[in-house]
Amino acid sequence: RKEVEQDPGPFNVPEGATVAFNCTYSNSASQSFFWYRQDCRKEPKLLMSVYSSGNEDGRFTAQLNRASQYISLLIRDSKLSDSATYLCVVLPGTFSGGYQKVTFGTGTKLQVIP
Amino acid sequence: DAGVIQSPRHEVTEMGQEVTLRCKPISGHNSLFWYRQTMMRGLELLIYFNNNVPIDDSGMPEDRFSAKMPNASFSTLKIQPSEPRDSAVYFCASSLAVSGINSNQPQHFGDGTRLSIL
Repeated sequence: RKEVEQDPGPFNVPEGATVAFNCTYSNSASQSFFWYRQDCRKEPKLLMSVYSSGNEDGRFTAQLNRASQYISLLIRDSKLSDSATYLCVVLPGTFSGGYQKVTFGTGTKLQVIP
Repeated sequence: DAGVIQSPRHEVTEMGQEVTLRCKPISGHNSLFWYRQTMMRGLELLIYFNNNVPIDDSGMPEDRFSAKMPNASFSTLKIQPSEPRDSAVYFCASSLAVSGINSNQPQHFGDGTRLSIL
């Protein structure tokens, strides 16, 4: 099993639709989670952190399910500008001794259609 | 505030040549990462530095690749000799890692270097 796995893409959705991506992780000790967005031919950019209690930022909602070991990203009222690849990132627990192993998912491509 | 700065933005060179990629992390960040991204393999971690010390270089493909971080504000990734299969986008990222629980902070990426080896 891969350390981090994401929903296979691409997701093609109409403008205004709600879409959700999942990302599963294998290390139950993982503590920090993030969603990044990467536009074509650009660098990954931090979209939002994922907190244990779930968090919302405008049309975006991130949630963590520790029991089932996955995180999710929900996008409401999709815009054309939301078209991008969404990467989940999983980091280990307590940082100590200088090592911070970071694992990126392979990404889920979203295409919002007019 | 200045983000992670990478240079050059683009590099095209012939196989066999030496390639040096440069990165200036965000001031105050103590962790630096070099990644390579291709369509086939996605984003791959090559090497990770913490406080200028290489911590994990298990992702470095082979001896042709080397990375240094002589100080907190500068790192290089060198490929010598370069091969066509090294063609990719190389990203540098930095973050602040602080000891303690839930202390992992997100990484911030530079614009990347698009490398083409002919």
